[in-house]
Amino acid sequence: SLELTQPPSVSVSPGQTASITCSGDKLGDKYVYWYQQKPGQSPVLVIYRDTKRPSGIPERFSGSNSGNTATLTISGTQAMDEADYYCQAWDRSTAHYVFGTGTKITVL
Amino acid sequence: EVQLVESGGGLVQPGWSLRLSCAASGFTFDAYAMHWVRQAPGKGLEWVSGVTFNSAYIAYADSVKGRFTISRDNAENSLYLQMNNLKPEDTALYYCAKDGSGSSWYEFDFWGQGALVTVSS
Repeated sequence: SLELTQPPSVSVSPGQTASITCSGDKLGDKYVYWYQQKPGQSPVLVIYRDTKRPSGIPERFSGSNSGNTATLTISGTQAMDEADYYCQAWDRSTAHYVFGTGTKITVL
Repeated sequence: EVQLVESGGGLVQPGWSLRLSCAASGFTFDAYAMHWVRQAPGKGLEWVSGVTFNSAYIAYADSVKGRFTISRDNAENSLYLQMNNLKPEDTALYYCAKDGSGSSWYEFDFWGQGALVTVSS
C-alpha cells in the first residue's frame, strides 16, 4: 500500500523559500494535494491536483509532482505560514486516501 | 459561504457506539462527495471514510472497516458516521470534509471544525 513520507520539520528565514517534499512509490502518477494546519485550527487546502491553487491562497504557494516525489514550495515565506503541512494522495491499490506524515514549518 | 458543522462527539467507554453528524450549508450538498477524517491528539491526519454524492460508492480505512458506517441524507444536507465497538485508538478529533467532486474523489476543499471523540474506561 502507498506510504507518503515527509520530513518532520523545515526551518526557513522570513522572505526565503521553503520546500517540503512528499515521497511515495510512483507518486508522479497520482494527484497530490497539500493542506496547511495551524495550531488549534482545521486543515486548509493550499494546493490541489499537484499544482493548482484554490481561490484565496496566496501565489507564493506552489506545487510540483514527478517521479516519486511531490514538492510544496513557499516563496517569500511569511511568519503567518508557520504551520503543519500534509500531503495527500489516492491509493488505487487499496481504494484509500493516504496522508503524509506531516511537516512542521518554522519561520525563524 | 460553505459551512460544515459536526456534532455528536463525546466521552464513551470501549465497546460503546456513537453517531456523528455533519450539517452542511452554503453549497449544493447533493452534488458533492463527502468524507470523514480524524486526527488523534498530537498526531497527523487519517482518512476514515468517504461517500459519493449519490451514495453509490463508499469506502473505509482498514482501521474502521466493519465497525463504522458512513451515510448521508441529501434531503437534510447531512453526513453521518455511525461508530460501533469503539476502541481507545479511535480517540480523535473527527472532521467532516467536502470533496471537490461528486462521483470521483479529489481534494478536500472545505473542512468542519471537528467533533471530539474520546474512548476511555
